[in-house]
Amino acid sequence: DGGITQSPKYLFRKEGQNVTLSCEQNLNHDAMYWYRQDPGQGLRLIYYSQIVNDFQKGDIAEGYSVSREKKESFPLTVTSAQKNPTAFYLCASSKRDRGNEQYFGPGTRLTVT
Amino acid sequence: AQKITQTQPGMFVQEKEAVTLDCTYDTSDQSYGLFWYKQPSSGEMIFLIYQGSYDEQNATEGRYSLNFQKARKSANLVISASQLGDSAMYFCAMREDNAGNNRKLIWGLGTSLAVNP
Repeated sequence: DGGITQSPKYLFRKEGQNVTLSCEQNLNHDAMYWYRQDPGQGLRLIYYSQIVNDFQKGDIAEGYSVSREKKESFPLTVTSAQKNPTAFYLCASSKRDRGNEQYFGPGTRLTVT
Repeated sequence: AQKITQTQPGMFVQEKEAVTLDCTYDTSDQSYGLFWYKQPSSGEMIFLIYQGSYDEQNATEGRYSLNFQKARKSANLVISASQLGDSAMYFCAMREDNAGNNRKLIWGLGTSLAVNP
């Protein structure tokens, strides 16, 4: 079955540590996205990538970094520079045709103490 | 100013009844797309339905339909015959197609729907 996987589901880190969240898709989608969701809030775009080896900052990129070395993979690193990293992180991908509906992974809940 | 407005933070509906979730949007583009997503308590965002700005017919997907009123800039989601499994957060989103914006989605803050047995 095609889909998007994110691992792990829950992640705990100490303050000051960098952490990398995994996102893999086998939908053959060109575009991939990372969102952050805080309690009671909508989604905020962190980074997105339209093609391999290219990515753009979203609305809240500070303290985050990404890479897109393969079409299938778009890992997100939460660095120690991110002031409030505890949140729910969602990865998505989409085709580049008419609808461009985004399909989402199950999410990673990151807790930093 | 918010580009996507969902005015109902929470809604209740009786099982088997229909419910309408409101969404208004603001754009100066002629070409854009509107989406609805469902987020159950597990957290995953599930795509429900899409409406393009040039589509003449309202979109339908099973029990979901989108009541698209372009002049009023509204894109309300109608769920017919509600089921207990419909209890979730529902998000409206818009994609603006103006050149250079890379087709990002703009999201509303969501409506929490509870279906009562």
